[in-house]
Amino acid sequence: QVQLVQSGAEVKKPGASVKVSCKASGYTFINYGISWVRQAPGQGLEWMGWISAYNGNTNYAQKLQGRVTMTTDTSTSTAYMELRSLRSDDTAVYYCARGVATTPFDFPFWGQGTLVTVSS
Amino acid sequence: EIVLTQSPATLSLSPGERATLSCRASQSVSSSLAWYQQKPGQAPRLLIYDASKRATGIPARFSGSGSGTDFTLTISSLEPEDFAVYYCQQRSNWVTFGGGTKVEIK
Repeated sequence: QVQLVQSGAEVKKPGASVKVSCKASGYTFINYGISWVRQAPGQGLEWMGWISAYNGNTNYAQKLQGRVTMTTDTSTSTAYMELRSLRSDDTAVYYCARGVATTPFDFPFWGQGTLVTVSS
Repeated sequence: EIVLTQSPATLSLSPGERATLSCRASQSVSSSLAWYQQKPGQAPRLLIYDASKRATGIPARFSGSGSGTDFTLTISSLEPEDFAVYYCQQRSNWVTFGGGTKVEIK
């Protein structure tokens, strides 16, 4: 069965960077892209961007352009999301999510979420 | 960016009642719209995709309708486990989510 297992919670200071991992299993990693979605406390869902696990192509939400980088390591079936120049409003639960072949941007598969807290 | 507006923000209903949730897009998304359910401390769960198709394992009391800019999620008879927050999401132009509708117990 498809599983996405994310790294543990992080506490960072303003201005620092964070890198969250998402290890995939139960399917052929390079056949599907990974999206990242975040949710600030008590708020809604925000799509951050997508990476193709096949060729590394990316598309980032305009709001995060220049601060976010998504990568993959096909040898370990792991996707990464790095966010730089952290601010307090980056405090959120960060999710990785995967679609299916016909609809890669509908997400039946989600990681468990990683809480990133930005605080001085 | 396509903006999705959900209404109402909160819906107060009793178990057994019918719930009708709305999602309006700032421009046409054709049928490229999905609905998710989220409970506290959990990741979202895909309910509906392509506006009206139920995802695997989703009970028949959940149904979706609409196309273009106006969409509806209907829960025909609320079960206790259905009280949660619901989000719509479009994939016509990359991805955006609506702000959510909370279905709470009256």
